[in-house]
Amino acid sequence: EAGVVQSPRYKIIEKKQPVAFWCNPISGHNTLYWYLQNLGQGPELLIRYENEEAVDDSQLPKDRFSAERLKGVDSTLKIQPAELGDSAVYLCASSDDRDSSTDTQYFGPGTRLTVL
Amino acid sequence: AQKVTQAQTEISVVEKEDVTLDCVYETRDTTYYLFWYKQPPSGELVFLIRRNSFDEQNEISGRYSWNFQKSTSSFNFTITASQVVDSAVYFCALSEYSSASKIIFGSGTRLSIRP
Repeated sequence: EAGVVQSPRYKIIEKKQPVAFWCNPISGHNTLYWYLQNLGQGPELLIRYENEEAVDDSQLPKDRFSAERLKGVDSTLKIQPAELGDSAVYLCASSDDRDSSTDTQYFGPGTRLTVL
Repeated sequence: AQKVTQAQTEISVVEKEDVTLDCVYETRDTTYYLFWYKQPPSGELVFLIRRNSFDEQNEISGRYSWNFQKSTSSFNFTITASQVVDSAVYFCALSEYSSASKIIFGSGTRLSIRP
């Protein structure tokens, strides 16, 4: 079974430029998460989707960050414009929350963003 | 508020030694889940284990074992006979039942196994 797929793996951009990250969750997983991981720290939740609905976006900086999950499968996270402080790894995870015994989150390899 | 503390920032041991990674958590919920994830240099977080708050039985999986003690709010992870491939950053994490799938991660412990 394929895991969570993310692209690109690496992205280098100049500040003030836009950038987008793509995530394809594990097949059948209804819940999708975007996390931010700064160097030397654990991941922090940015947004959680249940199917197409964003059910927790309280930690998403909405002035420059946006996300969508059309059709409840793939998701895109966008930053516009990027700032130097956005340099980090952006992780996507998915889970099947329809059963509490199986709602473990599985993570993708992440996108490492460098803003110059 | 939920919180996970991994006091050990970095650990370095020689191959074949046993090593224990500590994890202390804080929560007000009576129902919660604890996790360990491994993050090798490739960057992907690999799920290792999930335990719920009602199951305090220790668990062993090959060279890995976990010690869950509610009395001390700890969920420690031991690797027996460590191998170079165990080198990674290990994260302990907590999810409260009332927070609906929101996982709080510790800051991680970087484990280096020297040949």
